[in-house]
Amino acid sequence: DTEVTQTPKHLVMGMTNKKSLKCEQHMGHRAMYWYKQKAKKPPELMFVYSYEKLSINESVPSRFSPECPNSSLLNLHLHALQPEDSALYLCASSQEGAIMETQYFGPGTRLLVL
Amino acid sequence: AQKITQTQPGMFVQEKEAVTLDCTYDTSDQSYGLFWYKQPSSGEMIFLIYQGSYDEQNATEGRYSLNFQKARKSANLVISASQLGDSAMYFCAMRGIYNQGGKLIFGQGTELSVKP
Repeated sequence: DTEVTQTPKHLVMGMTNKKSLKCEQHMGHRAMYWYKQKAKKPPELMFVYSYEKLSINESVPSRFSPECPNSSLLNLHLHALQPEDSALYLCASSQEGAIMETQYFGPGTRLLVL
Repeated sequence: AQKITQTQPGMFVQEKEAVTLDCTYDTSDQSYGLFWYKQPSSGEMIFLIYQGSYDEQNATEGRYSLNFQKARKSANLVISASQLGDSAMYFCAMRGIYNQGGKLIFGQGTELSVKP
């Protein structure tokens, strides 16, 4: 059983909507990640938070806005998305963000933008 | 730049047989980690096994083993006694110290189908 949870499992939104994806981990990890994954492709890194501070932004459009309220929670705020943003959004966490650490993933949110 | 190559887009294996999923990598880092993940159709990325670049022994986790050949820069995943539940996409991934802030680099994946 995964110890990284994500809500909602599925989300359908219009291009003018504002919605949020939520991620929570219960492993005491201090690094958290957002990935975007298109069908039959590998995940692409979007953001990394380390000790609640944004450490990596992979040039993601501003319509995606991450937030880390505390070390256990990670949000991804969505606004004015495009249909091409439809994808599986995966959250992951690791102990401290070090190179050799394993990242543990949540079950993902399947997003459809109409 | 670091790169992971998985040359088998799709594979079939008979239930109870062993299967090897290929992974080769390219890096100039001396210190790096190699990971295998399983992704069923449900979408969750499940961590399977890890191999550090300085580990002399091949990693094993239950039915999974990693055939690490450092000189050939290969890190193949071996699944013994395949089960129907092993049908999934499998990703090989790597992190290195000097690569883009330690970003996890994924291969394109191999879709494994286990036949009854």
